Amino acid sequence: EPEVTQTPSHQVTQMGQEVILRCVPISNHLYFYWYRQILGQKVEFLVSFYNNEISEKSEIFDDQFSVERPDGSNFTLKIRSTKLEDSAMYFCASKVGSGRNQPQHFGDGTRLSIL
Amino acid sequence: AQSVTQLGSHVSVSEGALVLLRCNYSSSVPPYLFWYVQYPNQGLQLLLKYTTGATLVKGINGFEAEFKKSETSFHLTKPSAHMSDAAEYFCAPANAGGTSYGKLTFGQGTILTVHP
Repeated sequence: EPEVTQTPSHQVTQMGQEVILRCVPISNHLYFYWYRQILGQKVEFLVSFYNNEISEKSEIFDDQFSVERPDGSNFTLKIRSTKLEDSAMYFCASKVGSGRNQPQHFGDGTRLSIL
Repeated sequence: AQSVTQLGSHVSVSEGALVLLRCNYSSSVPPYLFWYVQYPNQGLQLLLKYTTGATLVKGINGFEAEFKKSETSFHLTKPSAHMSDAAEYFCAPANAGGTSYGKLTFGQGTILTVHP
């Protein structure tokens, strides 16, 4: 069964550095998402992406964050200048259609640790 | 906007016992509801979903959930727990309207422990 893949599985970065988290969604999927889960807290929506542009973003997704689909297969999340509070598990998800009934398929996540 | 509450952050059952994980939602429109499971060091895996039609939905690994509109609930059950069911379970309604194309709002999760 096709799956969403995320790399790396664990990223350790110094505060203030830029980090790029990578995702390869399922190949026929058109809608893409990033979520994050700070340790001990809920999974939170960050951003949705369709047709090469952001369709919605949460208040967490400030100017330090950006997303890109550079080559038709990868979907990346960039944090420009990391903060300690960015430490979390980041999940990428994709789905085939726009309807609410379409389930999102998740990757295994990238654990981001900011030192 | 949707919101969701999962009662009980930890549930512990014996192997072979009934599993009941509670989820209550609030929604101004007909809800589309999902249960996801997260095994240790893995991502979120879809267990089952309710969209329209039959209110009792069956999912993978013997789990099922019943949508009860009058109670605004979507509780997850399994008749007989197995050790391999130990994981964290998330209830998540899909957002209506807007341009997020059904972003998910997750509950705080319920950690299920199964002991011999």
